[in-house]
Amino acid sequence: QKEVEQDPGPLSVPEGAIVSLNCTYSNSAFQYFMWYRQYSRKGPELLMYTYSSGNKEDGRFTAQVDKSSKYISLFIRDSQPSDSATYLCAMSANTGNQFYFGTGTSLTVIP
Amino acid sequence: EPEVTQTPSHQVTQMGQEVILRCVPISNHLYFYWYRQILGQKVEFLVSFYNNEISEKSEIFDDQFSVERPDGSNFTLKIRSTKLEDSAMYFCASSVGGGIQPQHFGDGTRLSIL
Repeated sequence: QKEVEQDPGPLSVPEGAIVSLNCTYSNSAFQYFMWYRQYSRKGPELLMYTYSSGNKEDGRFTAQVDKSSKYISLFIRDSQPSDSATYLCAMSANTGNQFYFGTGTSLTVIP
Repeated sequence: EPEVTQTPSHQVTQMGQEVILRCVPISNHLYFYWYRQILGQKVEFLVSFYNNEISEKSEIFDDQFSVERPDGSNFTLKIRSTKLEDSAMYFCASSVGGGIQPQHFGDGTRLSIL
C-alpha cells in the first residue's frame, strides 16, 4: 500500500542548516497531517499537527500542507545535533481513527 | 508530562506460543490504538479501541489478534499462535478523542519470534 511516500534518506546536514523533509500522498480524503520524531529505540513523538492546507509554525519547526499537490513538508531552522532522529509523516482522513505513516526520513545533524 | 507506557520492552517467544503485550495509556485518554513496525518498514495501523470495543481494524488484525481493556488502566494486545513474521515493534498509542485528535505513542515492545 503506497498511500504515503517519504524519502527514507539518510539526510546529513551541518549544524545550523535549514532542513526540508517531505511527503507525498495519493488519498485526497486525507485532512489531518502530522509530523512525528522518533529517536532510536523510542516511540514516535508528536511534533506538529495541521489540518488541511496552509502553514503552521512552532519554534524552529514549520509544517506546510499543499492539498492541491498532495504534498506536505516540515522545515527545521537552525538545526541542532539533538534534531538527529527519524522523522515520520502521518495523515488521516476525516472519518476513522487510522493514521497512515510514511517510511520515515533519517536525519543526522553534524556538529 | 503524562506518557504512554508499554511493557515489556522486549519479548522473546517461541513460534506457536501466545504473547500478551501490555500498555498503560495516558489517564484521561479515551481512544487506544495498536500499531506495529516491522524492521525497516512503515508504522502500520492494527486496531483502535473505544468504549470497550474495537472501533476500527486493519487487514493485518485478523483472528490471531485480540485486544482487551481488562481494568481501568491497562490495554492489552494478545497474539495467539505466533508466527515468525509477527516479529516487529508493537506500539501502543492513545488520544483524548478519536479521528482528528493527535495520537501519543509509547516506546514500544520489541517482539522477537524464534
